[in-house]
Amino acid sequence: IAGITQAPTSQILAAGRRMTLRCTQDMRHNAMYWYRQDLGLGLRLIHYSNTAGTTGKGEVPDGYSVSRANTDDFPLTLASAVPSQTSVYFCASSDLGVEYFGPGTRLTVT
Amino acid sequence: RKEVEQDPGPFNVPEGATVAFNCTYSNSASQSFFWYRQDCRKEPKLLMSVYSSGNEDGRFTAQLNRASQYISLLIRDSKLSDSATYLCVVNKMDSSYKLIFGSGTRLLVRP
Repeated sequence: IAGITQAPTSQILAAGRRMTLRCTQDMRHNAMYWYRQDLGLGLRLIHYSNTAGTTGKGEVPDGYSVSRANTDDFPLTLASAVPSQTSVYFCASSDLGVEYFGPGTRLTVT
Repeated sequence: RKEVEQDPGPFNVPEGATVAFNCTYSNSASQSFFWYRQDCRKEPKLLMSVYSSGNEDGRFTAQLNRASQYISLLIRDSKLSDSATYLCVVNKMDSSYKLIFGSGTRLLVRP
């Protein structure tokens, strides 16, 4: 059982480019989340999805979009990357209130 | 005021020491509480849930004080492998299952 996978592991991206971070889970969890983690700021919620077909905004949604076409996949898209989006991005899914995290994507926007 | 507050540390302790971390939360309606562990450059992983009556898992003991909105984690007989950042986590109590993560307390266990 893989749990949650994320791709890519890391990426260097030029400012202004479009980028999609992929997240897939095989645990059939209904709820999924995207966080960014920056030094000194902890984990901040970007977007979430309570179930397939629905999404919601978290604490820091600007510049990001998500979709949830099915239970397993929850991609995060940066339409036009900016340097302030340099961060480590974690995808998570939850079961009975406990969240399980993917290994993260380290993104650098130059 | 942050919704979940923790002392960032670092706590630097020798092997075998007992160390305690504290956390306060602002939403009195919160019902679920957890401690997560995060190793450097890795994802957070659930360490233990925190129950109203307090609970223990081996060398780890978690306590909840609802009246003071305070959560603690006690680690006995610290091991080098306990070196990590410990995140205090509380549920948000809105229409979704969102969790609020503290910024974490860093623990360094030295030989």
